[in-house]
Amino acid sequence: DTGVSQDPRHKITKRGQNVTFRCDPISEHNRLYWYRQTLGQGPEFLTYFQNEAQLEKSRLLSDRFSAERPKGSFSTLEIQRTEQGDSAMYLCASSRQGLLSGANVLTFGAGSRLTVL
Amino acid sequence: QQQVKQSPQSLIVQKGGISIINCAYENTAFDYFPWYQQFPGKGPALLIAIRPDVSEKKEGRFTISFNKSAKQFSLHIMDSQPGDSATYFCAASKSGQFNDYKLSFGAGTTVTVRA
Repeated sequence: DTGVSQDPRHKITKRGQNVTFRCDPISEHNRLYWYRQTLGQGPEFLTYFQNEAQLEKSRLLSDRFSAERPKGSFSTLEIQRTEQGDSAMYLCASSRQGLLSGANVLTFGAGSRLTVL
Repeated sequence: QQQVKQSPQSLIVQKGGISIINCAYENTAFDYFPWYQQFPGKGPALLIAIRPDVSEKKEGRFTISFNKSAKQFSLHIMDSQPGDSATYFCAASKSGQFNDYKLSFGAGTTVTVRA
């Protein structure tokens, strides 16, 4: 299966610790998105990359959050000094830019669930 | 600021019945409207999508109806089956090759189909 992979699937941490999530997109996809989903809500946009360039960051992404996509392949989302309010599912999605059929359709990974105690 | 409003929050339908979920949007620049289906423990998966140049799109038992003047669109699930039990999200974005396709999601509707 060559879908979007996210690791770890679950992370439990204590308040104040740093956590890092990894996303491996579909190999031919040049766009990569991070979303956050809390219980009973729809996904909220955090940031997105086109190749290695981070083109937009949501106001939801405080200074404690940083995302990278070195070499335009996998991406990492780091949360520093975690707070209980950071507890959520962090979803990664990727898409292929273009006009052909199937282009620009976001394919989501299964997510990384963060619990901050 | 929620750009896409979705209702109802949940619904229960008998097997074989019709499920209807409604969404409304504010941003007139949106021109791509997908619906995503999410099962517990999984990420959202694209179900069906529509662009505003058509008023309806049907794929199997799933139909999107789109009303551009009212800025509303809806998902109809015909002949609902227990396997359709999931959370459904409407979404909207700007499309086009050089647009970001950043999706704004509704809050979701949990559909339960009773056998």
